[in-house]
Amino acid sequence: AQSVTQLGSHVSVSEGALVLLRCNYSSSVPPYLFWYVQYPNQGLQLLLKYTSAATLVKGINGFEAEFKKSETSFHLTKPSAHMSDAAEYFCAVSKTGTASKLTFGTGTRLQVTL
Amino acid sequence: EAQVTQNPRYLITVTGKKLTVTCSQNMNHEYMSWYRQDPGLGLRQIYYSMNVEVTDKGDVPEGYKVSRKEKRNFPLILESPSPNQTSLYFCASSFSGTSVGGEKLFFGSGTQLSVL
Repeated sequence: AQSVTQLGSHVSVSEGALVLLRCNYSSSVPPYLFWYVQYPNQGLQLLLKYTSAATLVKGINGFEAEFKKSETSFHLTKPSAHMSDAAEYFCAVSKTGTASKLTFGTGTRLQVTL
Repeated sequence: EAQVTQNPRYLITVTGKKLTVTCSQNMNHEYMSWYRQDPGLGLRQIYYSMNVEVTDKGDVPEGYKVSRKEKRNFPLILESPSPNQTSLYFCASSFSGTSVGGEKLFFGSGTQLSVL
């Protein structure tokens, strides 16, 4: 079975501060990992994906994530938070790499304060 | 504009009254899927479809039906809705459900359903 655990259902940071959203995965085989973002009243959008080509993955809007096999982690970071980053973020895993077998985490709501 | 369109955006109904939530995509995608989003549970897959006339159960299919008669449309049917089906529903599509490498999912804007 595959799963992801997102630590912290709510994270609050100040504008300009580092953003760190945590995701740990469980998979019996090398996984494909994804981060999706959901802005208020919208559907989810793909931020970035890991497909074993490189351990550090860069996504849209200045976000990046690093795959660490030894820690079974795929944490999402951004050096400097912006007010527009306020959203809910979902980590997802697929052991087959296919859309049909994608399992989502429970989500982390990011709040950005002045 | 490439998009996944769901209707309605909001729906309030009563227990037992059949309803359909429509989903349409204009990207000629083979794969379509329905999810429900509940607080603390994230997104859970209800049903998915690899192509026309090919559908399969996801993780939480009980109480739902789907059909895929045309490539662009994938309606979600609740024959006899119950209060525990109150949720935010999302339709999603991608070019292929079987392509390895992480096919990008395109999501609709969601349907907030309340069953009284």
